Amino acid sequence: GAVVSQHPSRVICKSGTSVKIECRSLDFQATTMFWYRQFPKQSLMLMATSNEGSKATYEQGVEKDKFLINHASLTLSTLTVTSAHPEDSSFYICSARGTTRRETQYFGPGTRLLVL
Amino acid sequence: AQSVTQPDIHITVSEGASLELRCNYSYGATPYLFWYVQSPGQGLQLLLKYFSGDTLVQGIKGFEAEFKRSQSSFNLRKPSVHWSDAAEYFCAVVVISNFGNEKLTFGTGTRLTIIP
Repeated sequence: GAVVSQHPSRVICKSGTSVKIECRSLDFQATTMFWYRQFPKQSLMLMATSNEGSKATYEQGVEKDKFLINHASLTLSTLTVTSAHPEDSSFYICSARGTTRRETQYFGPGTRLLVL
Repeated sequence: AQSVTQPDIHITVSEGASLELRCNYSYGATPYLFWYVQSPGQGLQLLLKYFSGDTLVQGIKGFEAEFKRSQSSFNLRKPSVHWSDAAEYFCAVVVISNFGNEKLTFGTGTRLTIIP
């Protein structure tokens, strides 16, 4: 299957700082990328959907000013957690997909964020 | 609302025994269904998917799933499990969000433990 990478895999930061997480599709063009959040022992919750070249669509309850998403190219999307606080500590996973919903979403390995 | 239910939070199976993980969905139209597997601290790997056609779907690692419209189910099976199958398993369905986007909705997951 297709490969999606995330960087960094793990990050520890101080409260109040901003953290950027990159998601790259390595061998296909990702028209759409998704960002998920996963709490321990829970399922994945979709945060936002981003289409290349347009603004991201956020799910209800997700603060768009806090979780900034940029999808500037067909192979790269970034999630920036602004002014991070301990409650933002979580496992963030991105996925990438081609044009239609018939195409599989390929998931990145995830980024563990710990805010102290 | 569209949803996915995985009734079993945790299943323990002996190595070499057969496995069935249950998944029920609630969706008005023809669903696009998926099974993903997640190892600890990792992203998700696609096991198999169903879009249309043959209701018995073969996946990777010896897994298969059967779509039963009458029961709104998409159960995952494997005839003989290996210790390396221990992981978290997620069933998912593609739905249309309120914003018109197509997104994956995940079940709560089933944790599979393998005993010798």
